[in-house]
Amino acid sequence: EPEVTQTPSHQVTQMGQEVILRCVPISNHLYFYWYRQILGQKVEFLVSFYNNEISEKSEIFDDQFSVERPDGSNFTLKIRSTKLEDSAMYFCASTRAGGTDTQYFGPGTRLTVL
Amino acid sequence: TQLLEQSPQFLSIQEGENLTVYCNSSSVFSSLQWYRQEPGEGPVLLVTVVTGGEVKKLKRLTFQFGDARKDSSLHITAAQPGDTGLYLCAGEESNYQLIWGAGTKLIIKP
Repeated sequence: EPEVTQTPSHQVTQMGQEVILRCVPISNHLYFYWYRQILGQKVEFLVSFYNNEISEKSEIFDDQFSVERPDGSNFTLKIRSTKLEDSAMYFCASTRAGGTDTQYFGPGTRLTVL
Repeated sequence: TQLLEQSPQFLSIQEGENLTVYCNSSSVFSSLQWYRQEPGEGPVLLVTVVTGGEVKKLKRLTFQFGDARKDSSLHITAAQPGDTGLYLCAGEESNYQLIWGAGTKLIIKP
């Protein structure tokens, strides 16, 4: 059964460093999403991506964040200069048709900023 | 990789009826979470169950974690149109990553 994969499972970094979180969406899916969940808090939408450009982004997704689909399979989230408050679980999701179509979530990357 | 099978995938019932959604795995999870997701939004956590056999109630929703911590169920009593949505279960592995079920699309007809 196809699934969304994410690497690494856990990333520890120093404040101010750049991190890249990687996702491999399901192969025939066209819409991609990043969410984050700070420990003990709700899952928050960050950004959606379609046709090689951002469709929507939340207030959280400021200039420190960027997304890219560098090739036909990977979907990345880059944080340029990490802050302590960026520590969270980051989930990638993909869907075939967008809109109300079911989103398939990856297992998440736990980012710890020291 | 652990798999979490969620059933049914789709359920459409009349207001007032009861329903149960199931999440099953062959592997043990340290905890299991139930989410509800509205279109265009991120999933919203409803409950986390941790102990085998644990039962938690949230108004008309009853969540149960299997004794062996491999399966879970969500039971809704007297469903209402406001319960319409996508319900997702997610099992937590020992490394804190989540394994997600595919979701149950629930429609409650007035």
